[in-house]
Amino acid sequence: DTAVSQTPKYLVTQMGNDKSIKCEQNLGHDTMYWYKQDSKKFLKIMFSYNNKELIINETVPNRFSPKSPDKAHLNLHINSLELGDSAVYFCASSRASGRDRGETQYFGPGTRLLVL
Amino acid sequence: AQKITQTQPGMFVQEKEAVTLDCTYDTSDPSYGLFWYKQPSSGEMIFLIYQGSYDQQNATEGRYSLNFQKARKSANLVISASQLGDSAMYFCAMREPSFYNKLIFGAGTRLAVHP
Repeated sequence: DTAVSQTPKYLVTQMGNDKSIKCEQNLGHDTMYWYKQDSKKFLKIMFSYNNKELIINETVPNRFSPKSPDKAHLNLHINSLELGDSAVYFCASSRASGRDRGETQYFGPGTRLLVL
Repeated sequence: AQKITQTQPGMFVQEKEAVTLDCTYDTSDPSYGLFWYKQPSSGEMIFLIYQGSYDQQNATEGRYSLNFQKARKSANLVISASQLGDSAMYFCAMREPSFYNKLIFGAGTRLAVHP
């Protein structure tokens, strides 16, 4: 029944490692997003895919690489993890971008990443 | 410049009372969307309410209503009959005009409901 799911929920790893976070939505939405929430609770968009096409790519280190194998999945791979990458990463999805209520984004539960 | 401003880092309210959480925004685009999300201590982001810039009436969803004042560029969230479970962080967000549905978030307001 989960609409937007993420795995893992918690991720503790060492500096320099490479890790991936997976996201899946069963809402039939066309657009998916990655957001980062820092330690001060500030939320900022990182990437967005629409039907497997990258449409938003914010100023994010190129150690972060999103991949969308199909429109129901959006993964985030992070190379050479740094201490500053510690944060909560949220996946979200919405219907195709439109100027009405359909643009509402529904969030996954978040992945809490801690880099030691 | 901040596009979404939430001036109240923290608020408290007595159970069963109403509370207003402030949000002001900045855009020159005539078409935009405004959202409120709730983040309880468990961490998930829960969508509460949406207001489109062309909507004639203020949005309402159960105990949540949005006091939309377009000329003042404000979109305050009103929670009526507060419950203990309303204690959480509340985020106001705006769909960035012409930017593929990108959401810009405010810094959030932490609401504490006291019994």
